[in-house]
Amino acid sequence: AQKVTQAQTEISVVEKEDVTLDCVYETRDTTYYLFWYKQPPSGELVFLIRRNSFDEQNEISGRYSWNFQKSTSSFNFTITASQVVDSAVYFCALSEKNTGGFKTIFGAGTRLFVKA
Amino acid sequence: NAGVTQTPKFQVLKTGQSMTLQCAQDMNHEYMSWYRQDPGMGLRLIHYSVGAGITDQGEVPNGYNVSRSTTEDFPLRLLSAAPSQTSVYFCASSPAGIPSTDTQYFGPGTRLTVL
Repeated sequence: AQKVTQAQTEISVVEKEDVTLDCVYETRDTTYYLFWYKQPPSGELVFLIRRNSFDEQNEISGRYSWNFQKSTSSFNFTITASQVVDSAVYFCALSEKNTGGFKTIFGAGTRLFVKA
Repeated sequence: NAGVTQTPKFQVLKTGQSMTLQCAQDMNHEYMSWYRQDPGMGLRLIHYSVGAGITDQGEVPNGYNVSRSTTEDFPLRLLSAAPSQTSVYFCASSPAGIPSTDTQYFGPGTRLTVL
């Protein structure tokens, strides 16, 4: 069965600190997709990244980087030199194939506070 | 493109009332889904649809009905609202069935309160 665990409920950092958000997943499928979404205080969900299960290459996008490790079933997200605008709830999600499409399960989210 | 639109943005119901949350997308996406977001529980999948005429249950389907008569629309019906259904509801769409583009686009959400 699918499961996504984000063990960190809240994290508080001071601006310019680096912060890593953890995500551990469970799946029986060999083909699956992992996502990170950001939900700022305004409430909308913003897509950040998608990785498929066959591509373990880490990715960097500006101050954001993602570390995908199948051996530990983890897909961690690091923000380098955090800024106040990074304050949001971040969700990790797992999509696996299901009846004609993909079914997506979300973690409970990690609320990040970045203080000036 | 308007993307994914949801109406209403806010709604207050009394226990036992019925209502329909509307969701529409103009991206010709086959896959649409409904989630509810409760504090500390992330987003939980209620129902989803892989195309017009096809729907299936997610994690928490009880108390909700859906139908998909067109590609564009995927309404969520609460037949008899209960306080436990107080939540923020998100609709999402994606071009499912095409793994390389399975990225969900979310609507702005509907905040529902059941008294």
